[in-house]
Amino acid sequence: EAGVAQSPRYKIIEKRQSVAFWCNPISGHATLYWYQQILGQGPKLLIQFQNNGVVDDSQLPKDRFSAERLKGVDSTLKIQPAKLEDSAVYLCASSLAPGGGQETQYFGPGTRLLVL
Amino acid sequence: DQQVKQNSPSLSVQEGRISILNCDYTNSMFDYFLWYKKYPAEGPTFLISISSIKDKNEDGRFTVFLNKSAKHLSLHIVPSQPGDSAVYFCAATKNQGGKLIFGQGTELSVKP
Repeated sequence: EAGVAQSPRYKIIEKRQSVAFWCNPISGHATLYWYQQILGQGPKLLIQFQNNGVVDDSQLPKDRFSAERLKGVDSTLKIQPAKLEDSAVYLCASSLAPGGGQETQYFGPGTRLLVL
Repeated sequence: DQQVKQNSPSLSVQEGRISILNCDYTNSMFDYFLWYKKYPAEGPTFLISISSIKDKNEDGRFTVFLNKSAKHLSLHIVPSQPGDSAVYFCAATKNQGGKLIFGQGTELSVKP
């Protein structure tokens, strides 16, 4: 079974530029998550989708971050414009059943973003 | 507001000995706890979990202990192997749809 795929793996941009990350979850997984992991910290949930609807986006900085999951499969996360403090690893995860912290989440390898 | 804390950024253990990783939480509403393991350049992978109705859960070399009164959990690895060298994150959640809250991680190094 293929795991969660993410691209690109690495991205370097200058502040005020825009950037987009792509995630393809495990086939059949209803729930998709985007996390931000800043160096030295644990992953922090940015947004959670169930199929193509948003379940939780309370920690998404909506003035600059946006995410969508069209057709309930792939997802993109965009930052526009980027700030220095956005430098982090962006992790995508998916789980089989709708929501719930008890549902095992499978993580992709992440996209490492550096904002200069 | 750090609801889940791992106060040891790193731990070094000799191969064959026990590794003990600790985690503290502040929110008494948390009732499900998980440990994830992360290798460099990979995403975290689920390791073991425990519900608040239990105080111990064991899976092979890995055992998680929960002390609800102290709001503390620990992960024991016995015996430790060099392949266990990784960053370990504890996470907590509330039942019925709660999101995962992660600690900062502890980097375990198991030396041959």
